[in-house]
Amino acid sequence: EVQLVQSGAVVKKPGESLKISCKGSGYSFATYWIGWVRQMPGKGLEWMGIIYPDDSDTRYSPSFQGQVTISVDKSISTAYLQWSSVKASDTAMYYCARQKGGGAVAGIDAFDVWGQGTMVTVSS
Amino acid sequence: QSALTQPRSVSGSPGQSVTISCTGTSSDVGGYNYVSWYQQHPGKAPKLMIYDVSKRPSGVPDRFSGSKSGNTASLTISGLQAEDESDYYCCSYAGNYTCVFGGGTKLTVL
Repeated sequence: EVQLVQSGAVVKKPGESLKISCKGSGYSFATYWIGWVRQMPGKGLEWMGIIYPDDSDTRYSPSFQGQVTISVDKSISTAYLQWSSVKASDTAMYYCARQKGGGAVAGIDAFDVWGQGTMVTVSS
Repeated sequence: QSALTQPRSVSGSPGQSVTISCTGTSSDVGGYNYVSWYQQHPGKAPKLMIYDVSKRPSGVPDRFSGSKSGNTASLTISGLQAEDESDYYCCSYAGNYTCVFGGGTKLTVL
């Protein structure tokens, strides 16, 4: 079964660093782009960025460039989303998702497999 | 990049058809045939319903169909069923290796 399993919910204080994970299984992890999507409480979906595990090629939405870092460790089929210093406005559900059509251009293909989401709460 | 424009809400009775629009610009929806649609039930992860404007993934009922005209893409759900009540989001390739989502539409089945 193709699936993405994300790390659990986390609570952080403003200014702390954070790294959440997304582990793929059941397919050739290295050859499909993995993207991250933010959903703030009660709000819509926002496309954050995407990474190609085989060579770590990474693309960001202009809205998130410089705000987060997307990385990957293909040896353990895991992608990451990290913050160096979280803010209250980072409170949201974060989803990872696989872009269908392995090897296609970043951003063109739809997300066909989604993780269960990681809830990040930032509060003092 | 600005979010694509979707109606906040639409509604229909069981058995009827509803259409959800997704309006962008010539830099996203109008410029590429890479529009996808997602269904999201409360507390759940999104599910892919339509990709490449009008293609359905395996397992998605043929009651769901997609189309595009100019800068506006549309998702049509025919033969509405109670389980179709959900939030729906469009996403379009916007160049520079990125995709942009719409604001989302809440579908109510009356």
